[in-house]
Amino acid sequence: AAGVIQSPRHLIKEKRETATLKCYPIPRHDTVYWYQQGPGQDPQFLISFYEKMQSDKGSIPDRFSAQQFSDYHSELNMSSLELGDSALYFCASRRQGGYGYTFGSGTRLTVV
Amino acid sequence: AQSVTQLGSHVSVSEGALVLLRCNYSSSVPPYLFWYVQYPNQGLQLLLKYTTGATLVKGINGFEAEFKKSETSFHLTKPSAHMSDAAEYFCAVTINQAGTALIFGKGTTLSVSS
Repeated sequence: AAGVIQSPRHLIKEKRETATLKCYPIPRHDTVYWYQQGPGQDPQFLISFYEKMQSDKGSIPDRFSAQQFSDYHSELNMSSLELGDSALYFCASRRQGGYGYTFGSGTRLTVV
Repeated sequence: AQSVTQLGSHVSVSEGALVLLRCNYSSSVPPYLFWYVQYPNQGLQLLLKYTTGATLVKGINGFEAEFKKSETSFHLTKPSAHMSDAAEYFCAVTINQAGTALIFGKGTTLSVSS
């Protein structure tokens, strides 16, 4: 069965650089969620999109932005990276009316 | 807003012993509740979920959880722990509203000793 695809799997960036993370949801899933999980922490909700519109917003820094495209894939753009942005970034997708949130394997971002 | 509280950041059991991981939720509307497991350096795997209907939910790997509205709880249990159950477990809550996020608890680390 198709799963949520995230790319890249690993990313190393220097402070003040920018990074773009991509998420490809399960086919026919119309909602995408982004989470940040720091070392030893629980996943923190950043932002979500339903039918290409922002639907919910969590603790996303102003330096971050995201969008969902016409093919439902989503991109998380992160600028002016800080050491504290080093984390595992998960994307999840869901079909509205369905109960399951399916998570991707995550992108591990390391800021040096 | 919804939230979950996981009681005990670390639980240690012996192999073959009962596993009990506690989760209490807060929600002003009927919640949907989930348990996820995460192995080191891996993603989140769904163990089980409660949405509506039967309050005792069975999941993968022999785990089950019971939704108790009167106690606002959704504790995870397994009758007999296995070494391979050692992992981080997250309880999560959401509601039935378009685009609403899944909110996680702080997690419980389960250690299993032989």
